Amino acid sequence: DTAVSQTPKYLVTQMGNDKSIKCEQNLGHDTMYWYKQDSKKFLKIMFSYNNKELIINETVPNRFSPKSPDKAHLNLHINSLELGDSAVYFCASSQDLSGGSGETQYFGPGTRLLVL
Amino acid sequence: EDQVTQSPEALRLQEGESSSLNCSYTVSGLRGLFWYRQDPGKGPEFLFTLYSAGEEKEKERLKATLTKKESFLHITAPKPEDSATYLCAVGGGASKIIFGSGTRLSIRP
Repeated sequence: DTAVSQTPKYLVTQMGNDKSIKCEQNLGHDTMYWYKQDSKKFLKIMFSYNNKELIINETVPNRFSPKSPDKAHLNLHINSLELGDSAVYFCASSQDLSGGSGETQYFGPGTRLLVL
Repeated sequence: EDQVTQSPEALRLQEGESSSLNCSYTVSGLRGLFWYRQDPGKGPEFLFTLYSAGEEKEKERLKATLTKKESFLHITAPKPEDSATYLCAVGGGASKIIFGSGTRLSIRP
């Protein structure tokens, strides 16, 4: 009965390929996020969506494009993968916008992306 | 600019040896301070949210406290299963939360 789930768990691919990561939450939350965790374990926000609307769009390459078909799903598509994209990507959700309301975020298990 | 600094970077304790982890923050208009636990290969697991200076929260061997400039995560009589990376994050007025780099806690039996 997972609250925030991501697929796939592992993703190994060649440079230049296009790949997608999917995220689903069954908590009934309005806001979903994508984070990138680098090799030094720093968690950095990439995007957030509130009720299917893009709210936060940090300085990430245009090759990264989020898509929210409904408020329970937030997918991340990455074009033309580069070596530097190798990292762990986490999806999270909160009842409302964190920071603005101080709501707690709940994280998925992560997707480990390795670009060769 | 909003900033979160955690110390120490790594901490090794003997089982039963109590200690504290520090999270210093600079944020314009604190909306919430969050503590998470992260085990290797897993996502961050929520522990506590603190909203105002003087607030304290407890869960088993963990106790989180908050002042206007920092938060402490006190661990009392830790066990090996408490070994993990502990992450601190703050939410401010920019509608996003900023994470610190974490403290890797290791408890020896």
